[in-house]
Amino acid sequence: IAGITQAPTSQILAAGRRMTLRCTQDMRHNAMYWYRQDLGLGLRLIHYSNTAGTTGKGEVPDGYSVSRANTDDFPLTLASAVPSQTSVYFCASSDSQGKTQYFGPGTRLLVL
Amino acid sequence: AQSVTQPDIHITVSEGASLELRCNYSYGATPYLFWYVQSPGQGLQLLLKYFSGDTLVQGIKGFEAEFKRSQSSFNLRKPSVHWSDAAEYFCAVGGRGSNYKLTFGKGTLLTVNP
Repeated sequence: IAGITQAPTSQILAAGRRMTLRCTQDMRHNAMYWYRQDLGLGLRLIHYSNTAGTTGKGEVPDGYSVSRANTDDFPLTLASAVPSQTSVYFCASSDSQGKTQYFGPGTRLLVL
Repeated sequence: AQSVTQPDIHITVSEGASLELRCNYSYGATPYLFWYVQSPGQGLQLLLKYFSGDTLVQGIKGFEAEFKRSQSSFNLRKPSVHWSDAAEYFCAVGGRGSNYKLTFGKGTLLTVNP
């Protein structure tokens, strides 16, 4: 069982370009989340999905969009990347009780 | 709104010494509390969690945490630190009131001296 996989592992992106970060889980968890981690700021929630077909905004949603077409996948899209989106992005999913979140290995994104 | 404060940005301890990392939270209802650990370049690993019941919670790697409602605290402890414990530690709070969305503290970086 892989748990949560994220791709790519890292990416350098030119400002203005479109980018999709991929997240797949094999635990059949209903809820999934995207966070960004920045030095000194901890983890901040970008978007979440409580179940397939639904999404919601977190603390810092501007410039990002998500979709949840099925249970396993939860891609995060940057429509037009800006340097302030340079960060480490973590995907997470939570168990059937919706309580405990489990994290993927992260994607390191540099926007120039 | 829910929030978490980890007062110590960076803590240094000697190997074999005891450790306590502080966490204070603000939450309007019964909180669910978590401690995660992150090694450099890695994702977050769950150390332990508190939902209800016994206020002293045991986790992996010899860690424990105590929930004190009167102090709104959930401090993490370990009696004897190992060099491999050097990492960043994050406290988080969530619960039914927030639809189980977590709010994280800014983290405490632990350095272990030989």
